[in-house]
Amino acid sequence: QVTLKESGPALVRPTQTLTLTCTVSGSSLTSFGVRVNWIRQPPGRALEWLARIDWDDLILYSTSLMTRLTISKDTSKNQVVLTMTNMDPVDTATYYCAQMGRGWQFDDWGQGTLVTVSS
Amino acid sequence: QSALTQPPSVSGSPGQSVTISCTGTSGDVGNYDRVSWYRQSPGTAPKLIIYEVSNRPSGVPDRFSGSKSGNTAALTISGLQAEDEADYYCSSYSSSSATYVMFGGGTKLTVL
Repeated sequence: QVTLKESGPALVRPTQTLTLTCTVSGSSLTSFGVRVNWIRQPPGRALEWLARIDWDDLILYSTSLMTRLTISKDTSKNQVVLTMTNMDPVDTATYYCAQMGRGWQFDDWGQGTLVTVSS
Repeated sequence: QSALTQPPSVSGSPGQSVTISCTGTSGDVGNYDRVSWYRQSPGTAPKLIIYEVSNRPSGVPDRFSGSKSGNTAALTISGLQAEDEADYYCSSYSSSSATYVMFGGGTKLTVL
């Protein structure tokens, strides 16, 4: 089991770029089977999968958002970073990072971080 | 609009059983046993309760069970308890060109 914790700004302005960090403990990002995902949930709404980065550097994106997303990892800090450009008020959501198992299930979740997009 | 269809709400009395459906397509639920279920209480992160259609992680009571028929997966909760009241989400791998992971719209379970 891994522990994940999200961090980032609580408020961003429209058109700005959002940078979120997921700090992973309990396993190295280069260990076999580590697949860190970003998922978001607008207030009162459903979950939406955004992106994934694997131990072997495989990267997957949601097609609808891929032009705005970049996922990367800093193995020296055991952190996964997600950037999302051109933020809009509709991007207001709680952003979660989560470890994915080989059955495409999300085994472990961070606590989430609420990001509000407003001028 | 979410890609997987769940009923917005279900309810049941303590001790009863309830089933929550999750309907997709042959591009996700129908052709892949990569269906998982999550429970989410207000203000908290989702928690995995079923993976690969019918498997329970350790620590999840056997009152929770999963199944699949065709393009529809289902979560059944038997022996309802007050603490089961929460939102439940299904998820599936998808071969769609739009995304690799689909979520349902969520179902609010009320224990009467």
